[in-house]
Amino acid sequence: GNSVTQMEGPVTLSEEAFLTINCTYTATGYPSLFWYVQYPGEGLQLLLKATKADDKGSNKGFEATYRKETTSFHLEKGSVQVSDSAVYFCALLSGSARQLTFGSGTQLTVLP
Amino acid sequence: DVKVTQSSRYLVKRTGEKVFLECVQDMDHENMFWYRQDPGLGLRLIYFSYDVKMKEKGDIPEGYSVSREKKERFSLILESASTNQTSMYLCATRRGDRGPNQPQHFGDGTRLSIL
Repeated sequence: GNSVTQMEGPVTLSEEAFLTINCTYTATGYPSLFWYVQYPGEGLQLLLKATKADDKGSNKGFEATYRKETTSFHLEKGSVQVSDSAVYFCALLSGSARQLTFGSGTQLTVLP
Repeated sequence: DVKVTQSSRYLVKRTGEKVFLECVQDMDHENMFWYRQDPGLGLRLIYFSYDVKMKEKGDIPEGYSVSREKKERFSLILESASTNQTSMYLCATRRGDRGPNQPQHFGDGTRLSIL
């Protein structure tokens, strides 16, 4: 079956530090990959996505590249801000499936 | 923008009660989903619906049922609430007619406590 593995949190960084949150997946076929973000007290919002190998999704300074050879979709940001503090979820959608498979989420805290 | 509205942000109920969680969307999306979110477990799919009156079990359907009588509304029902159903419940919608890459849009969640 499909599965998504994220690096365990929590992750605590200082403002302007570089961020990487690792995500690897197992899926049949050629999945689409997503990063969602959940700010405190809110639901999940789509942050970025990539639908085929070597695609790079980007939004709000965050980037992730779909690497088929390593089955990975790591999230990166060059300089984090306090406002980036949130929980980040990696997810995949595979083949004819209508539902997403989520990772367990990574809590990020950015200190001023 | 897609708007997904969950009827309550916080809800407190007692063991054995029948509990209804409501979700309404305004974008005519075909697919609707109910998840529960627990620390360390991420999001787990309870049920989903790909059309009116259609439903499919997700990964953890036990103790839950759903209803989709109208396209815009998807209800999650706890038939007899138990303390292990204390959780954050998230509703999501997705457009179903434009291929598999459409993202899901989430409501703000209902934090349910069963006493």
